[in-house]
Amino acid sequence: DAKTTQPPSMDCAEGRAANLPCNHSTISGNEYVYWYRQIHSQGPQYIIHGLKNNETNEMASLIITEDRKSSTLILPHATLRDTAVYYCIVRVATNTGNQFYFGTGTSLTVIP
Amino acid sequence: EAQVTQNPRYLITVTGKKLTVTCSQNMNHEYMSWYRQDPGLGLRQIYYSMNVEVTDKGDVPEGYKVSRKEKRNFPLILESPSPNQTSLYFCASSFSRHKETQYFGPGTRLLVL
Repeated sequence: DAKTTQPPSMDCAEGRAANLPCNHSTISGNEYVYWYRQIHSQGPQYIIHGLKNNETNEMASLIITEDRKSSTLILPHATLRDTAVYYCIVRVATNTGNQFYFGTGTSLTVIP
Repeated sequence: EAQVTQNPRYLITVTGKKLTVTCSQNMNHEYMSWYRQDPGLGLRQIYYSMNVEVTDKGDVPEGYKVSRKEKRNFPLILESPSPNQTSLYFCASSFSRHKETQYFGPGTRLLVL
């Protein structure tokens, strides 16, 4: 079973906030939520991550619900260059490293 | 320039012919990982390595091998490729397992006939 579920596609007007949802209802207490994005078929690019508190950096904000079963990535002022596929990921720590479980992604189109 | 490199970038091969996809990073990263990407499935982790001589299976390790004899290199080996291994492959690295940012290589597009 997939650890994360995301809507397949979304549109957003340029200059407006883009809110990308993700469900991770089976997440465990020590598993982090990560977001990456991928433009065309290039290597994915890190955006943000969090455990239970809301997080903000220069690229985006991450809002995690109190029960941790879902989260929302917010791009505050979307630009055309933000058109990409956005992946919600659960990171599971193991004794030998980290396993990353990618969702199937949301294709965000920013419209002029 | 800090980067993750993969070679080859494109490869067409036939079923059963052993191949190796190389991955190298110049950032002195401890943690490295391989993913495959297929339409509609997102990225799936194949193998990862926390450090030299420490490797472990990811979500889809069947049909693949890896080795980590040096810190900078993490080759992906397909001993007997099959058509279902046709995919886009990405290598990634991060400073350590505790560092959040994985840096991804440019990808290797593999077609197995």
